[in-house]
Amino acid sequence: AQSVTQPDIHITVSEGASLELRCNYSYGATPYLFWYVQSPGQGLQLLLKYFSGDTLVQGIKGFEAEFKRSQSSFNLRKPSVHWSDAAEYFCAVGAGSNYQLIWGAGTKLIIKP
Amino acid sequence: GAVVSQHPSRVICKSGTSVKIECRSLDFQATTMFWYRQFPKQSLMLMATSNEGSKATYEQGVEKDKFLINHASLTLSTLTVTSAHPEDSSFYICSARASGMNTYEQYFGPGTRLTVT
Repeated sequence: AQSVTQPDIHITVSEGASLELRCNYSYGATPYLFWYVQSPGQGLQLLLKYFSGDTLVQGIKGFEAEFKRSQSSFNLRKPSVHWSDAAEYFCAVGAGSNYQLIWGAGTKLIIKP
Repeated sequence: GAVVSQHPSRVICKSGTSVKIECRSLDFQATTMFWYRQFPKQSLMLMATSNEGSKATYEQGVEKDKFLINHASLTLSTLTVTSAHPEDSSFYICSARASGMNTYEQYFGPGTRLTVT
């Protein structure tokens, strides 16, 4: 069965430091992968997506993610975080004929001043 | 582009009453809309998938008679929580997939906070 694992429930990073959020998926075919961000009291915003092609994808707000098929991973990275990046981050994989998304549990990013 | 609105953003209702939540795609047509429920500090739980003009497909464990979904047009889907009880209090989120697009990308509404007293 398809699944998405975000092994870190929360991560604390100092402002200005680099960030990597982990995401592993289980899916039989070529995955459609997404990272969404949910700020407190806000809706979900798409950060970036991977369908095919270059395995390093660039997103909004300075985020990037790398698809590694051999590791079934799609980790999200940012070279230097800002206090405004504090939010909940969700990884998702597209699955099924009805275009549903399978969601990870989310990782809460905490920024230390 | 690709904006999804939800109304209301917050609603408080008394136990036993019904509440309707609207989800609209403002600048695109949505063949498929999804309804999620999110508990505090948890991920999104898919409740149902609705395709325009068809009956919604509910996920296992979701009561279709309690959570009525109508997707009457390509830009509007509604979720009605019937005979609401305190345990129905939650954050409800809708999303939409654009018509004609062979992708899994969903555009999300801002969510509706339902409190049942």
